[in-house]
Amino acid sequence: DGGITQSPKYLFRKEGQNVTLSCEQNLNHDAMYWYRQDPGQGLRLIYYSQIVNDFQKGDIAEGYSVSREKKESFPLTVTSAQKNPTAFYLCASSIYFGTYNEQFFGPGTRLTVL
Amino acid sequence: GQQVMQIPQYQHVQEGEDFTTYCNSSTTLSNIQWYKQRPGGHPVFLIQLVKSGEVKKQKRLTFQFGEAKKNSSLHITATQTTDVGTYFCAGPKGSARQLTFGSGTQLTVLP
Repeated sequence: DGGITQSPKYLFRKEGQNVTLSCEQNLNHDAMYWYRQDPGQGLRLIYYSQIVNDFQKGDIAEGYSVSREKKESFPLTVTSAQKNPTAFYLCASSIYFGTYNEQFFGPGTRLTVL
Repeated sequence: GQQVMQIPQYQHVQEGEDFTTYCNSSTTLSNIQWYKQRPGGHPVFLIQLVKSGEVKKQKRLTFQFGEAKKNSSLHITATQTTDVGTYFCAGPKGSARQLTFGSGTQLTVLP
């Protein structure tokens, strides 16, 4: 089955620790995205990547870092510099045909920093 | 910068009642997308509208894109408990490979 996987589903970390969230897709999509969702709010873009070895900051990139060494993988590191890291993190990918840009989302990772 | 606003933030309806959520953009959009997120789940793409004044239907769901391409609406006829979730609109930003999401409308359907 094609899709996007994120692991783990729930993650707990102590304050001050860096943590890396996994995102893998086998849809052969070029573009991948990381969003943050807080309770009762919409999705805010953290980082996105249009091709391998290239990525761009989104609206709330401070305290986060990413890499895109393979087309299938786009891991997100939440660093200790992120002041309020507890949130639901969603990874997405998309294929782009002209103006058509449907995004496919993974199941998400709920990060709790204690 | 571009803003996409959605109202209402919350809506409670009795099963069988209709429901509408509205989306307004501060800028003209080349297209608009709608997603549904079930409680505890992830957003799932519903539809994309491209043309000015476009209306599309999916069973009990009717999507509309405004003439000026700055607003959109989603209307659900005769809601069912399966319609529960948060509905988001999203418009392209910048290179159009990015999306700006509205804050969503959380729909609760009371049996």
